[in-house]
Amino acid sequence: QKEVEQNSGPLSVPEGAIASLNCTYSDRGSQSFFWYRQYSGKSPELIMFIYSNGDKEDGRFTAQLNKASQYVSLLIRDSQPSDSATYLCASAGGTSYGKLTFGQGTILTVHP
Amino acid sequence: ETGVTQTPRHLVMGMTNKKSLKCEQHLGHNAMYWYKQSAKKPLELMFVYSLEERVENNSVPSRFSPECPNSSHLFLHLHTLQPEDSALYLCASSQGVAGAFDQPQHFGDGTRLSIL
Repeated sequence: QKEVEQNSGPLSVPEGAIASLNCTYSDRGSQSFFWYRQYSGKSPELIMFIYSNGDKEDGRFTAQLNKASQYVSLLIRDSQPSDSATYLCASAGGTSYGKLTFGQGTILTVHP
Repeated sequence: ETGVTQTPRHLVMGMTNKKSLKCEQHLGHNAMYWYKQSAKKPLELMFVYSLEERVENNSVPSRFSPECPNSSHLFLHLHTLQPEDSALYLCASSQGVAGAFDQPQHFGDGTRLSIL
């Protein structure tokens, strides 16, 4: 059973639109959540992390966490073609103490 | 150099070869990790080291042998690998105690391993 689930996509949005990436997790004890961006052939790059319920904003990125629903999302405003990548959601804490548990990633394509 | 560096970037080896992957972090972190990334599968944690001590071995076959001589360096020794071991191997590091929930992990660019 997968512990972190993401829609693999691909998710396609036009340039300038809001891209919404979603993630659910099964371990209720998970304490923090991370969003990584991975370009093809490159390593994952940390975008944001969140561990309190609610929203956390950083530039064009907003992470949203709802622990009651075991749901975390990433919104990308004013999407750019350079945002095209695979976005990885990961959880930490709970029964997975000592490791990050990753979802399979969502492929995002932003077309001009 | 800054961040997390991995060498080599690409490695092709036969099933009977012995090789090693190297990771070095320049971030002053205390914890280091090895991950395996295969096509269409989530990143899989292999090993975790905290202050040079192995704290997690995630059911990895013995043909993979990690070594952490100090908090800045991490090796993965490879021996008698199988074709299904072909993948991208990523090293990461984090501040504080390994797995601390509020410490994000920073990744190197990985070694692309191909087993013939």
